[in-house]
Amino acid sequence: DAGVTQSPTHLIKTRGQQVTLRCSPISGHKSVSWYQQVLGQGPQFIFQYYEKEERGRGNFPDRFSARQFPNYSSELNVNALLLGDSALYLCASSFGQSGEQFFGPGTRLTVL
Amino acid sequence: GQQLNQSPQSMFIQEGEDVSMNCTSSSIFNTWLWYKQDPGEGPVLLIALYKAGELTSNGRLTAQFGITRKDSFLNISASIPSDVGIYFCAGQLKGGSTLGRLYFGRGTQLTVWP
Repeated sequence: DAGVTQSPTHLIKTRGQQVTLRCSPISGHKSVSWYQQVLGQGPQFIFQYYEKEERGRGNFPDRFSARQFPNYSSELNVNALLLGDSALYLCASSFGQSGEQFFGPGTRLTVL
Repeated sequence: GQQLNQSPQSMFIQEGEDVSMNCTSSSIFNTWLWYKQDPGEGPVLLIALYKAGELTSNGRLTAQFGITRKDSFLNISASIPSDVGIYFCAGQLKGGSTLGRLYFGRGTQLTVWP
C-alpha cells in the first residue's frame, strides 16, 4: 500500500511569491495535518483537516491556508513568502481526528 | 503552546549498547508517540502509546507511557548502525480544539559507532 505522498519534493521561491504544496493521504485515511519543521527543531503544527473541515490551527499567520478535497487529499498555500518560511513542510495522515499520524517525505521549501 | 522537554539532546554510543531517552511535559497527554527521522525524510512512526503505565515493544524498541501521563520513555536495546537518526517524542492532548494536534520534542540525535 502507498504511504503518504507529497509534491513537489523540493521548491525554490523568492520573497513575496506564493506557493502551493500538495499531499495525498494513505488510502482510507480521512484526516490530513500539516507541520513545518525548521532545522534542529521538531515539527510545528500548522493545520489539521478532518472530513474536509478545518479542525485545528496552529500559531501561524493568515498567509498560511489549506483545504481538503472530497478525495481527502490536501493543499497547503503560503502567500507573500518570507525568508523565514524556508523549512521542510510535512504532511501527516490519520484515520480519525486523533491517534497515530503517518508522515510523508516532506517538501523542502527554500525562499531566497 | 505546550512544551515537551526531550533528553538527552544527543547521544554517542558504541554498537551493541542500550539507549534510553525520555520526554516530559507540563501537561497531561492522552497519547504518546515516538518517531525516528533520517536526514531529508519525514518522521517514521515507531511506537504509539494510549494508556498510562502502558509498556509497548517493537523489536528492539520499548516505550512506556508514564503513570503521571506527563512523560514517556524510549529504550533501544543492542543498538546497531542503522539506529542512527533523530528520535522525536510527540504527544496529543485529550480533547477540545487541539484534539488532533501533535506536540513534538526537539529530538534526540543518536550516533552509533561500530
